[in-house]
Amino acid sequence: DSGVTQTPKHLITATGQRVTLRCSPRSGDLSVYWYQQSLDQGLQFLIQYYNGEERAKGNILERFSAQQFPDLHSELNLSSLELGDSALYFCASSAGSPYGYTFGSGTRLTVV
Amino acid sequence: AQSVTQPDIHITVSEGASLELRCNYSYGATPYLFWYVQSPGQGLQLLLKYFSGDTLVQGIKGFEAEFKRSQSSFNLRKPSVHWSDAAEYFCAVDLNQAGTALIFGKGTTLSVSS
Repeated sequence: DSGVTQTPKHLITATGQRVTLRCSPRSGDLSVYWYQQSLDQGLQFLIQYYNGEERAKGNILERFSAQQFPDLHSELNLSSLELGDSALYFCASSAGSPYGYTFGSGTRLTVV
Repeated sequence: AQSVTQPDIHITVSEGASLELRCNYSYGATPYLFWYVQSPGQGLQLLLKYFSGDTLVQGIKGFEAEFKRSQSSFNLRKPSVHWSDAAEYFCAVDLNQAGTALIFGKGTTLSVSS
């Protein structure tokens, strides 16, 4: 157990739908990062939150959004889902550079 | 643009043999450097990291990596591979700049033959 909890582990949904992925960071970590992992694109950084505020933005689509709540858990919202959104979505937390990130076990999203 | 290159997509090593996985980065200054391992269906686990000091760093599971500034490389090594080391390995860099996050290479899949 890495200390980063992601739910659900698996999600199957239809095109056009909206889903919410949840992440609880490791105790004491203020930063949460979201990554998308697919076979063709590899690990792509989506977005970072630090203590409730957006800090960095990567290759996140406009159909995707995220937030971090006062208890530091984070949610990634994916809407108007397309087949190409099928991927593993990872959440990671960090205490800051240079400590690296601790990853959760991911949510596997399948859009059908 | 900053990038991380892992030249080998797939490597097969015999059990007990030595291993070296290559990683090169493209960045003006020396970033913080990491190696992660991902077993099938699992998240990424940190193997080791370098941010300053001794250029040879030791990690978990018997892995080590050497930072070579002149070659912009951070290669991962293990003297004797075990079947349980079969997994995907990712090199990553932290530019330590506001507004950035870990940049990952495409990964190297390690297979271990008996």
